Amino acid sequence: AQSVTQPDIHITVSEGASLELRCNYSYGATPYLFWYVQSPGQGLQLLLKYFSGDTLVQGIKGFEAEFKRSQSSFNLRKPSVHWSDAAEYFCAVGASGTASKLTFGTGTRLQVTL
Amino acid sequence: DGGITQSPKYLFRKEGQNVTLSCEQNLNHDAMYWYRQDPGQGLRLIYYSQIVNDFQKGDIAEGYSVSREKKESFPLTVTSAQKNPTAFYLCASSIAHDLGTDTQYFGPGTRLTVL
Repeated sequence: AQSVTQPDIHITVSEGASLELRCNYSYGATPYLFWYVQSPGQGLQLLLKYFSGDTLVQGIKGFEAEFKRSQSSFNLRKPSVHWSDAAEYFCAVGASGTASKLTFGTGTRLQVTL
Repeated sequence: DGGITQSPKYLFRKEGQNVTLSCEQNLNHDAMYWYRQDPGQGLRLIYYSQIVNDFQKGDIAEGYSVSREKKESFPLTVTSAQKNPTAFYLCASSIAHDLGTDTQYFGPGTRLTVL
């Protein structure tokens, strides 16, 4: 079965600074990887996803993520953070096959200081 | 606009009562899911359904029940057997080509509090 780890529970960055949120997965074959964002009291919104092909994936709101098979990672990045990016971010991993379902990480809460 | 709606947004329950959370989608998705979210624990799957009149237990199904009588609707009942029901509940849907790789689309959630 697949698993996903988000090592950072809480991260604080200044507005305008760059951001990197870490995600490590465990799965023997090629994983399907997702990043979702959740504003307080709201549902989850898909930022981006990786299935195959180019390992650098562009998403909405200026986010990107890079799949690194050798490091089993799928870190989320943004060059310049805006105050509205403050939210909780979830990484998820899936695997092909009807017996599998998405597995979500425990989330990283991002705080943005002005 | 297509999307997923959940109601109510806030729900209060007395101990020993059953409550039902509503989830409706107009995305024409075949698969629907219920997750429970607790602080620091991420999302845990309660139940999921790939087609009408069929559903499967997820990782934490004890104390919960569901039905799928219509493609658009997937209500969740939190029964009195659920020992710690206070949580944020999220409903999601997907096209169901492959549950392990489908993109899931989420509703806004229902916060349940047991008094």
